[in-house]
This record gives sequence, C-alpha cells and structure tokens, in this order.
Amino acid sequence: GNSVTQMEGPVTLSEEAFLTINCTYTATGYPSLFWYVQYPGEGLQLLLKATKADDKGSNKGFEATYRKETTSFHLEKGSVQVSDSAVYFCALSDNYGGSQGNLIFGKGTKLSVKP
Amino acid sequence: DAGVTQSPTHLIKTRGQHVTLRCSPISGHKSVSWYQQVLGQGPQFIFQYYEKEERGRGNFPDRFSARQFPNYSSELNVNALLLGDSALYLCASSRTGGTVGSEQFFGPGTRLTVL
Repeated sequence: GNSVTQMEGPVTLSEEAFLTINCTYTATGYPSLFWYVQYPGEGLQLLLKATKADDKGSNKGFEATYRKETTSFHLEKGSVQVSDSAVYFCALSDNYGGSQGNLIFGKGTKLSVKP
Repeated sequence: DAGVTQSPTHLIKTRGQHVTLRCSPISGHKSVSWYQQVLGQGPQFIFQYYEKEERGRGNFPDRFSARQFPNYSSELNVNALLLGDSALYLCASSRTGGTVGSEQFFGPGTRLTVL
C-alpha cells in the first residue's frame, strides 16, 4: 500500500543554518505530495504542495521538489529561524479510487532551532 | 472567516465508554475527514464524508463510526473505548474532497484520554 517515510528526528539547528528533511514515498499511480507543519499547541497547517512530477512547491522560504525517479519530496530551507521550530509532516494523497484525496502521513520530524 | 472548529477541546473517558466528537467545516466546504494522531506519530486517516455520504474509510475497527449532517458538520463516534484510543482526533475540511491536490484544512483537534 501507499506509505511515506521521513527522516527521524529530532533535528536541532542553529539559527541561519540550512535545513533538509528527507521524505520518500511508495505509491501506486501519481499521488499529490504535501508538507504540513504543526507548531506547538496548534493544529496542522499546509506548508507547501506539489501535484505532479518535477513540480516545486514553495512557501515562507521552504521548498520541495516532486522527484518521481527517486520517489522523494525533500523539504529544504536555506536559513532557518527560531520561529521555524515545529514538527514537520510529509504526506501524500491518493488521486484514484475510493480514498481519493485523503492523506497518508509520515511520522513527523521535530525541528528545534536555537538562537 | 472561521476555520475548522472542533469540540470539545479535551475529553477524559474510561474504558468501555463511548464518545462523540464534533466538527464544523469551513463555510462552503462540503467534505470532512477524520484523522487519529497518536502521540509521536503522524495522523492516520479514519473516515471521509462528502455531501453526507461516506467517501472513504481507513483501517479502523467498527467501533468507530461517523456521519455528516445537512449543514456539512460531522460527528465521530467511538464505542467501547480502549486505552489505545487515547489520541488527538483531527478533523479536516476541503471544498470538494478528492480533487487532485485539494487542500485539507485542519482543526485544532480534540484530545481524548481513556483511563
């Protein structure tokens, strides 16, 4: 079945460091890919998305490119801030069948950014 | 505009009891999905409803049921509660449900503790 694997955390970085959180997926067909962020005490928020191969999603300085050949959707940011401290979830949605549109999440990666 | 709202915020129950969780989607959204997020894990899909009909169901036992009302709000019911049902229950709404790359907007969740 469809699944998402993302790198284990926690990840601790200093402010202005470069961030990469790896995400790979297994899916039949052509899923849409998402990164969601969960700030402490808050609900999930969509950070960015890509709906087809080679699409690049971007938002708030974060980027991720849909790589079909490597089944990956790694999250990157060139210079993290303390305010980026949160849990990041990679997810895919089925684009076919009865469960179309529902999300399959990875386990999450906790990011802590130190000043 | 109001986002997705859920009630109650927190709930404590004992084993064997049943619980009803409620969700109101964003105005104009016709699809509601329910997810279970166990501490330290990513959310897992439970149900999706669209236009009051069940569109999809995840791998959860029959103790879990849901429905959607004419105003598109939704209830999640869990019978015969087990300790393992302790989790954050998330509701998400989307405009249509199932459209390629359609964004799901999440509520803050209901924290259920089963003693």
